[in-house]
Amino acid sequence: AQSVSQHNHHVILSEAASLELGCNYSYGGTVNLFWYVQYPGQHLQLLLKYFSGDPLVKGIKGFEAEFIKSKFSFNLRKPSVQWSDTAEYFCAVTGQGGKLIFGQGTELSVKP
Amino acid sequence: GAVVSQHPSWVICKSGTSVKIECRSLDFQATTMFWYRQFPKQSLMLMATSNEGSKATYEQGVEKDKFLINHASLTLSTLTVTSAHPEDSSFYICSAASGGGAYNEQFFGPGTRLTVL
Repeated sequence: AQSVSQHNHHVILSEAASLELGCNYSYGGTVNLFWYVQYPGQHLQLLLKYFSGDPLVKGIKGFEAEFIKSKFSFNLRKPSVQWSDTAEYFCAVTGQGGKLIFGQGTELSVKP
Repeated sequence: GAVVSQHPSWVICKSGTSVKIECRSLDFQATTMFWYRQFPKQSLMLMATSNEGSKATYEQGVEKDKFLINHASLTLSTLTVTSAHPEDSSFYICSAASGGGAYNEQFFGPGTRLTVL
């Protein structure tokens, strides 16, 4: 069965620290990859997506992610986090049947 | 950008009653809409996929007679929770996609918080 795994359940950082959130998926076919963010009390917003082409994808708000096919990974990065980045981050994959499968989510808390 | 709305944003109902949640794509035609359920501090779980004019496809373990989905037009899908019970209390989120369905980007609604007393 297809699955998405996010390594960190809760990450706590100080402002200006660098961020990397891990995401691995299990599916051998062609995938589309997404990172979504859910700010407290708000709905899901797309941070970035990968369909094809350059495996290094740049998204909104300074976020980027790298698709490494050999590692089945799509890790999210940001060089310097801000307090406003405090949110829940979800990695998601579309695979067989086109269904969007979400990881468990990573809660990011940024201390001012 | 594409906007998806949900109504109501929150609802409280008594056990045994039915609740209808609407999902609308405001500025695009959604050939496919998806319904998710999210428990506190957990991820989104796909409940069903609905294509305009056809029956919804439910995920394993989701009772189709309890969670009725109608996708009557290209801009509206509804989820009706029938005979709601406290265990149905959750955050229900819809998303909409145009064109080829889930292989295209899904745009998410703000969610509906259902509390069953």
